[in-house]
Amino acid sequence: GQSLEQPSEVTAVEGAIVQINCTYQTSGFYGLSWYQQHDGGAPTFLSYNALDGLEETGRFSSFLSRSDSYGYLLLQELQMKDSASYFCAVQGSQGNLIFGKGTKLSVKP
Amino acid sequence: KAGVTQTPRYLIKTRGQQVTLSCSPISGHRSVSWYQQTPGQGLQFLFEYFSETQRNKGNFPGRFSGRQFSNSRSEMNVSTLELGDSALYLCASSSDREQFFGPGTRLTVL
Repeated sequence: GQSLEQPSEVTAVEGAIVQINCTYQTSGFYGLSWYQQHDGGAPTFLSYNALDGLEETGRFSSFLSRSDSYGYLLLQELQMKDSASYFCAVQGSQGNLIFGKGTKLSVKP
Repeated sequence: KAGVTQTPRYLIKTRGQQVTLSCSPISGHRSVSWYQQTPGQGLQFLFEYFSETQRNKGNFPGRFSGRQFSNSRSEMNVSTLELGDSALYLCASSSDREQFFGPGTRLTVL
C-alpha cells in the first residue's frame, strides 16, 4: 500500500523558519510534491522533487531523501499569508497522486 | 489561459439521491483527476481520466463513477448518496508533474 505521514499542526511566528516533514511508504516512487491550500481555497502546487537534494523556490525549499523515504518543506521568513494547510503527495507508478492528510500551519504575529 | 472550472460550486442533496459534478480542465490538458476532501481523511484520490479512458482508480465504492468527453471535460457521478459523502470534491487537470486544481464543489448530503 501507499501512505504518507506528516504532522497535523505546526505553529510559528512571523519572520521565523519552519520545516514540515513528510515520510512515505509507496510501492513505486516517482517524485514527492508539495501543495498549499488556504482555507476555502483549492490546493496549489509549490514544488516537486524527483531526485535527492534540495529544490529552492524563493522563500520555499523542498528536500528529498529517497533512501530514507523522507522529505520536507522549508518555509523561510514566514509571513501571515503563509498560514495554510500544506500537503505532501507522492506520485505513484500509474501517475496518480497520493496525498498526506496535511499540516495546518498557523503563523502568529 | 483559463483555470480549471467546476460546477456547481455548492450542492445540497438528500440521502438516496444521485448527483453529477462537472469539471472543465485547462485548455490542452488531457488528464483530469478527481479527489474527495474531508476534514478527517484529507485528499483522497477517486479516479483519473486521460483521453476519455479511466487510467487510474482509487478505493471508492462503485457508487462513484466518472467519465470524460472528447473535449476533455469530465463528470463524476455519485449514486445513492450517503451522509458520509458530504465533502469537497476537487478536480485537477495536469501537465507533466504539476496538478492544477479547480475551486471544488461543496456537496452536503442531508
